[in-house]
Amino acid sequence: EPEVTQTPSHQVTQMGQEVILRCVPISNHLYFYWYRQILGQKVEFLVSFYNNEISEKSEIFDDQFSVERPDGSNFTLKIRSTKLEDSAMYFCASSGTGQKNSYTFGSGTRLTVV
Amino acid sequence: DQQVKQNSPSLSVQEGRISILNCDYTNSMFDYFLWYKKYPAEGPTFLISISSIKDKNEDGRFTVFLNKSAKHLSLHIVPSQPGDSAVYFCAASLWGGQNFVFGPGTRLSVLP
Repeated sequence: EPEVTQTPSHQVTQMGQEVILRCVPISNHLYFYWYRQILGQKVEFLVSFYNNEISEKSEIFDDQFSVERPDGSNFTLKIRSTKLEDSAMYFCASSGTGQKNSYTFGSGTRLTVV
Repeated sequence: DQQVKQNSPSLSVQEGRISILNCDYTNSMFDYFLWYKKYPAEGPTFLISISSIKDKNEDGRFTVFLNKSAKHLSLHIVPSQPGDSAVYFCAASLWGGQNFVFGPGTRLSVLP
């Protein structure tokens, strides 16, 4: 069964450093998403991406965040200057149709900011 | 901002019995609801959904009920199996929106 792949599974970074979280969506999917889950809290929407542009973003997705689809297969989330409160599990998801019951989530990248 | 609530952080059920997971929401503009299951070290997996024009949707052992007037939905799993042990998230979406608002999750343990 096709999977959404996220790398690395765990990343530790120093506060103030830039990190890039990588995702390989399912190959024929057109809609891409990032969610995050701070430990002990709920899963929160960050951003959706379609046709090479952001289609929707949440209040969390401020200027320190950016997304990119640098080639035909990768979808990245960049955090420019990490803060301690950015520590969370970050989930990438993709969808072929944009239908809400069709999202496939990756297994996540655990980001720890120290 | 608790737009989607799952008031039971955990639930234990005997194998073969019914599991009922509850979810309440506050925003009456939500029109599409989903249940996701999550195992440790994995991403959420879609389980079942329901739109606001229906009050019940069934898929095998899983049934979701929606009570719009009470702003309440529930997931029934019958019969429960040990492999159903996971965290279950309720999620809601606005019409036309692409993102979900997740509840905090309920950890279901199905005991053999």
